[in-house]
Order: sequence, then C-alpha cells, then structure tokens
Amino acid sequence: QSVLTQPPSASGTPGQRVTISCSAGSSNFGNNFVYWYQQFPRTAPKLLIYRDDQRPSGVPDRFSGSKSGTSASLAISGLRSEDEADYYCAAWDDSLSGWVFGGGTKLTVL
Amino acid sequence: EVQLLEAGGGLVQPGGSLTISCAASGFTFRANAMAWVRQAPGEGLVWVSTITGTGANAYYTDSVKGRFTISRDNSKNTVYLQMNSLRADDTAVYYCARDRSGTHYGFDYWGQGILVTVSS
Repeated sequence: QSVLTQPPSASGTPGQRVTISCSAGSSNFGNNFVYWYQQFPRTAPKLLIYRDDQRPSGVPDRFSGSKSGTSASLAISGLRSEDEADYYCAAWDDSLSGWVFGGGTKLTVL
Repeated sequence: EVQLLEAGGGLVQPGGSLTISCAASGFTFRANAMAWVRQAPGEGLVWVSTITGTGANAYYTDSVKGRFTISRDNSKNTVYLQMNSLRADDTAVYYCARDRSGTHYGFDYWGQGILVTVSS
C-alpha cells in the first residue's frame, strides 16, 4: 500500500483541464518536495515535475504542479490524446528514509 | 546524451540470486547518485535502492534490506543490483535511474528497464 494516495483513474475530453491529486495523509510531506512522473505503456517513466512545481526542459507548460500542506496536484490544461498515460507522484519520506511513490493514476482522454 | 542501459535480467528460481547492471553514459557518472526502481506486472512504481556517487552510502526499501545489495564501479560507469533470496514478489521490471534528489531534481533519467522473473 502506497504512502502517497492517488485516485486510480481520471479522465477528460480534449481541451479540458484535469487535475490529479496526491495525498500524504496525516504524515504530511514535511519539508520535502513532490515530483511527478509520466509513464506510457511498456516504456520507462519520464520526469514531468520536480520541486513541487518546476518543469524540466522540454515539458510543455500545459503541465503544472502545486503543493499545499498534505496534498499535491498535477494539472494538465488543454488536454490532448497523447496525454493518455499513467501519472505517479513521489516524495522522500523522512520516517522511512526512502522514496515513496503514489499508486499511480491512469489518465484517459475520452 | 544521457543513456542508461540495463542488462542481466531473466528467469530465476525462488531462493536464487541474480545480479543486474546498468551502464551509464553521457554524464559525469561518479558525481551522481544512482537508483533502482521496480514495477511489478500491472502495478505501480516502487523505489528499491539508491547509492551515492562515491558509493559510500546506500539506502534500501524495507522489503529488500538484507537481501539486495547495490554497488557501483565508477571506472566502468556501471551500477549493480545484487539480488539474493529472491521471492516471487520480486518479479518486476527493474529500472535504473539517475537520482538527483540531493539537488532536488528527482529521478531525471531512466533506463529502458529489465525484466526479472522469479518462478519455479
């Protein structure tokens, strides 16, 4: 069971804005950053957001991240069919002294 | 161009051992921590282990402590994961990733993954 909780699925139509949540529950994120990864079927994950809200070079500005208290979110605006993928949040857990991932959210573009 | 290429996967019996490797290129290997992240079939991502750039420190998720050992050879730009006492629930695709958590950039490059199957 993941320490970080994500909804198993999300969906939207082309052009819409969708958000995917990531909850740390009562344990909080502490002073640690949240990261987001995108994964297409049978391919390696790709870093999408680092330090809560920063985009690596090459990631479209349609993708944005935010964090407040015990919850973080990934927002995708102007949804496109090629955004259909699995999305994972991750953070360092001080109590475990290790990285934890959310269970992943499968995004479907209707 | 950063490249990470895993090798050494395959089928192993329960209780057996296997060592997988990841050859890196395109960056200063010794200056970067490296990690292994695994994904069981149809499941999510799970961090397994991280080793610092010098190899002096290593970290493991609880489920593999005492069974897996991460190591690196900076002269060969290669990181290894030695897996002992393998169990069926270790079956997964294992990804090698550059771990830039020290500077808060996360896992910024990933290999293509290598399948490890534990079965009799």
